[in-house]
Amino acid sequence: QVHLQESGPGLVRPSETLSLTCSVSGSSISGPYYWGWIRQSPGKGLEWIGTIYHSGTYYNPSLESRVTMSLDTSKNQFSLNLRSMTAADTAVYYCARGTGYDIWGQGTMVTVSS
Amino acid sequence: EIVMTQSPGTLSMSPGERATLSCRASQSVTSNYVAWYQQKPGQAPRFLMYNVSIRGAGIPDRFRGSGSATDFSLTITRLEPEDSAVYYCQQYGSFPLTFGGGTKVEIK
Repeated sequence: QVHLQESGPGLVRPSETLSLTCSVSGSSISGPYYWGWIRQSPGKGLEWIGTIYHSGTYYNPSLESRVTMSLDTSKNQFSLNLRSMTAADTAVYYCARGTGYDIWGQGTMVTVSS
Repeated sequence: EIVMTQSPGTLSMSPGERATLSCRASQSVTSNYVAWYQQKPGQAPRFLMYNVSIRGAGIPDRFRGSGSATDFSLTITRLEPEDSAVYYCQQYGSFPLTFGGGTKVEIK
C-alpha cells in the first residue's frame, strides 16, 4: 500500500523560506512515477505548485521564481522549497503521486505570520 | 495554460437522483488526460477517475466520467448521502497542470 506523508513547519514568518518534505512508502520515487505538490488556500480550490521526476521538474509559472523541488532517493523522499513567503501562501500543502494524482498525502497546514 | 471551468458552482439534489457535473477546458486536452477528485471537508482530495472515464481503485460504478477534447462531465448516477462533497476536475495532458474551481454537491 502506497502512503505519502508531508512534514514541515506549521508556521513560517513573512519573507522566509518554506521547506516541506514528502516521505513515500510502498512506492519508489526512483521509479516511473511523477511526484507533485499541490496547495489549497483556506476555503479555496486546488492549485498545482510543481511536479518532479527523475529527469527534471515542472513548476507553476506563477510560482516558478520562488520554487525549488528535489528528490532524495536515499530516503525515498521529495521536497519543496518556497521562498519569500507571504500571507497569500497560507494554505494546506499536499504531496501526491503522478500527474493525475492517484495517491495523496493527508496535507499539512502552513500559516504565514509574524 | 489550459483553464478548466466547472459548472454549476453548487448542486443541491436528493438521494437517488442523478447528478451531472460539467468541466470545460479552454483548449483541447492532450490525450483526454482529465481526472476527477472528490474532497470532503477537512480531508485530502480523493482520486475518482483518470483518462476521462477510468475509475480508480475502489470507486463505485455509480461514478461515471465522459467527454473529449474540451467538454467533460462527471455523472453520479444514484446519489447517496456520502456523495456530499466538492468535486474537482483536472487536466494533466500538458504543463502547467490545472484544476477546475470545483462543484459543490449538496444532498438534501
